[in-house]
Amino acid sequence: DGGITQSPKYLFRKEGQNVTLSCEQNLNHDAMYWYRQDPGQGLRLIYYSQIVNDFQKGDIAEGYSVSREKKESFPLTVTSAQKNPTAFYLCASSYLSGQGTYEQYFGPGTRLTVT
Amino acid sequence: AQSVTQLDSHVSVSEGTPVLLRCNYSSSYSPSLFWYVQHPNKGLQLLLKYTSAATLVKGINGFEAEFKKSETSFHLTKPSAHMSDAAEYFCVVRGRGGADGLTFGKGTHLIIQP
Repeated sequence: DGGITQSPKYLFRKEGQNVTLSCEQNLNHDAMYWYRQDPGQGLRLIYYSQIVNDFQKGDIAEGYSVSREKKESFPLTVTSAQKNPTAFYLCASSYLSGQGTYEQYFGPGTRLTVT
Repeated sequence: AQSVTQLDSHVSVSEGTPVLLRCNYSSSYSPSLFWYVQHPNKGLQLLLKYTSAATLVKGINGFEAEFKKSETSFHLTKPSAHMSDAAEYFCVVRGRGGADGLTFGKGTHLIIQP
């Protein structure tokens, strides 16, 4: 089955700890994305990557870090510097095309709770 | 720059009646537009997309949307609601190429009354 997997589904951490969320895709997509979803706010882009070993900040990158060492994988680390890390995190991937008419495919999400 | 406004945060309909979820957009470019659906604690699933071909777009599960440039709208409709349609729906606009060009609306929560 082709698709995007995120693990774990639920994650609990104490304040002050870094935590890494996993995202893997076997769709052979070039681009991968991380979004944060809070109630009533839609999705906000954290980071994205269009190619291996390269990534760009999105709208709310502060307190987060990413890596893209393999085309299939795009892990997100929520650092202790993120002031309000409790949220639902969604990973997505897509092909790249010149005019951007491609859609993004989403993983099932990870719900992170920090206390 | 582009933006998208979903005009209703909640919509409630009875099972078997029509569904209308409203979306207005603004874009400096010729936009690509999408509707996604999200069931509770799940990822987003693409319902349909508009990419400058036919203005009436048919999607999965009986949904369709019409692109109206003069009204800058891309409303989502379904003739007859089913209980399984209860979910959050997101209107999304991409105004230009590039991975950073996707803008999400805040979502419309669709409630289906039995």
